[in-house]
Amino acid sequence: RKEVEQDPGPFNVPEGATVAFNCTYSNSASQSFFWYRQDCRKEPKLLMSVYSSGNEDGRFTAQLNRASQYISLLIRDSKLSDSATYLCVVNRWDNDMRFGAGTRLTVKP
Amino acid sequence: NAGVTQTPKFRVLKTGQSMTLLCAQDMNHEYMYWYRQDPGMGLRLIHYSVGEGTTAKGEVPDGYNVSRLKKQNFLLGLESAAPSQTSVYFCASRPGTSVGKLFFGSGTQLSVL
Repeated sequence: RKEVEQDPGPFNVPEGATVAFNCTYSNSASQSFFWYRQDCRKEPKLLMSVYSSGNEDGRFTAQLNRASQYISLLIRDSKLSDSATYLCVVNRWDNDMRFGAGTRLTVKP
Repeated sequence: NAGVTQTPKFRVLKTGQSMTLLCAQDMNHEYMYWYRQDPGMGLRLIHYSVGEGTTAKGEVPDGYNVSRLKKQNFLLGLESAAPSQTSVYFCASRPGTSVGKLFFGSGTQLSVL
């Protein structure tokens, strides 16, 4: 079983739609959590951190459920520019970050 | 703003050949990392460094060596390349105060025939 599991998608949604991605992790001792975005053939870039209380950054909302070992990312009012692969990242300790394989999103006009 | 620079961007090797990938960062970051990314696998940590002169093994270190002689540079070496090392390699760095905020280079596509 992979340590960080994501639905690979692809998710194909129209502009303006709301879409949610889920991620589960297996190590209950994991300390911190992140979503990264990776455009096709590009490097990953940090999208946002995920806090226990949930957090928002504009159209993006991240949630963490430690009891269920589950992380989510919600994107509201999808834009064409949101098309990318979204990577769930779990930090077990300072230098041990585990990446999910990613969920691919395509936003269509 | 250069950030993290990787060279080369593409390379094709024959089995058994050796090569070195260079990573350079101009942000004065303490921590540097080498990852590989394979389809369906996510990024996996090969080796990392917490400062000049230090290196440590990650999740998949076998077949690779690293060196960090200068703070700004982190080299990844393949002594005898194997087809299983065909992958996209990413270097990353971060400041000591931000555990999850990695800055990645643009990647190296390596093919081993």
